[in-house]
Amino acid sequence: GESVGLHLPTLSVQEGDNSIINCAYSNSASDYFIWYKQESGKGPQFIIDIRSNMDKRQGQRVTVLLNKTVKHLSLQIAATQPGDSAVYFCAERYGSSNTGKLIFGQGTTLQVKP
Amino acid sequence: ETGVTQTPRHLVMGMTNKKSLKCEQHLGHNAMYWYKQSAKKPLELMFVYNFKEQTENNSVPSRFSPECPNSSHLFLHLHTLQPEDSALYLCASSQGAQGGKLFFGSGTQLSVL
Repeated sequence: GESVGLHLPTLSVQEGDNSIINCAYSNSASDYFIWYKQESGKGPQFIIDIRSNMDKRQGQRVTVLLNKTVKHLSLQIAATQPGDSAVYFCAERYGSSNTGKLIFGQGTTLQVKP
Repeated sequence: ETGVTQTPRHLVMGMTNKKSLKCEQHLGHNAMYWYKQSAKKPLELMFVYNFKEQTENNSVPSRFSPECPNSSHLFLHLHTLQPEDSALYLCASSQGAQGGKLFFGSGTQLSVL
């Protein structure tokens, strides 16, 4: 079925530590994955994406890892800052590359302690 | 600023009212979307428009009526809503409608009394 889930609803980390947010997806045929960040009072903002032919992709302070064997996606944030406090969503593209649509997970709230 | 603007930011309406949500994108995209975001639930896709044509209606009740006059503007007309329709309504746009990267507005927080 269509479901994308995150392992933990809330993650609390110390400022300066690395954060890892996990996501399990259900459709082995999904070919594209995205992480979004949503701050209070704002809409979701794109962070990073990855295609299924890759295992890892790095951005500025963020890394996405994809393990297709166990259908697992993770977002790593290096040196977490107070401004990283937000809700993080993963999404998978379900269907073909011509007619697919994004299915979103429920979200993990990241709390950064000073 | 994401390039997708939604108005109003907040809306309170009674169940007998008629109101409209507006979305405008300045990104040159051809696809626009309405999503509903309720507490403790994943984002729910409501409607998809591609080049002004509706390509998806995700079994949305008829009390929600979308309108897309051109690729840059999207409306959601609301009438006789129920309290359970209270939620954050998000507009998004993308270059294609194939499930790629979406750019979201800040949403309209709707309360139905």
